[in-house]
Amino acid sequence: DQQVKQNSPSLSVQEGRISILNCDYTNSMFDYFLWYKKYPAEGPTFLISISSIKDKNEDGRFTVFLNKSAKHLSLHIVPSQPGDSAVYFCAAQLDSSYKLIFGSGTRLLVRP
Amino acid sequence: GAGVSQSPSNKVTEKGKDVELRCDPISGHTALYWYRQSLGQGLEFLIYFQGNSAPDKSGLPSDRFSAERTGGSVSTLTIQRTQQEDSAVYLCASSLRTGADYEQYFGPGTRLTVT
Repeated sequence: DQQVKQNSPSLSVQEGRISILNCDYTNSMFDYFLWYKKYPAEGPTFLISISSIKDKNEDGRFTVFLNKSAKHLSLHIVPSQPGDSAVYFCAAQLDSSYKLIFGSGTRLLVRP
Repeated sequence: GAGVSQSPSNKVTEKGKDVELRCDPISGHTALYWYRQSLGQGLEFLIYFQGNSAPDKSGLPSDRFSAERTGGSVSTLTIQRTQQEDSAVYLCASSLRTGADYEQYFGPGTRLTVT
């Protein structure tokens, strides 16, 4: 029973265009949502997060949008760069818990 | 400023053998986590240590899995009588404290292959 789902295993985007990665969740009690980025042979690194009381958080080229009614969040990367090519994991967390619950990841390829 | 380190980076073992995976967290981090990523899956929580508190072992998939954290620092994950379904990347993470305000920093993982 997956609580966090990333239904697109891969995404290919042209350099300079927008990348949109999507994530759906089932537990309406989640308090925080996070995006992690993973390069091959490295551990995931934190990218950006959003609290459930917000609907948008922006950090440079990265913006996360949260739609609580749809239990959906998305990560927008604008403009996309070849160095953004990696696997992106969506994760969710209850405020009272330390556990991160991850989706299965989306592999992003940014073509030069 | 060393990050989280794990050893070995790769481990191939025969079914039925025991394996030990090591994690060195970031110095000063009181919280330590083990996750695993099976092929095509997301990261799955295994176990959590916080200071001297009893660990949360709720994510361990079977009693063949155990972990310890000595002196509040290094942690070892042990898998006894390995099975092919144990093949995965085992990731360790640490954080300064527990809670959503504290980022979990991940190590590069140990890729375990059980033949």
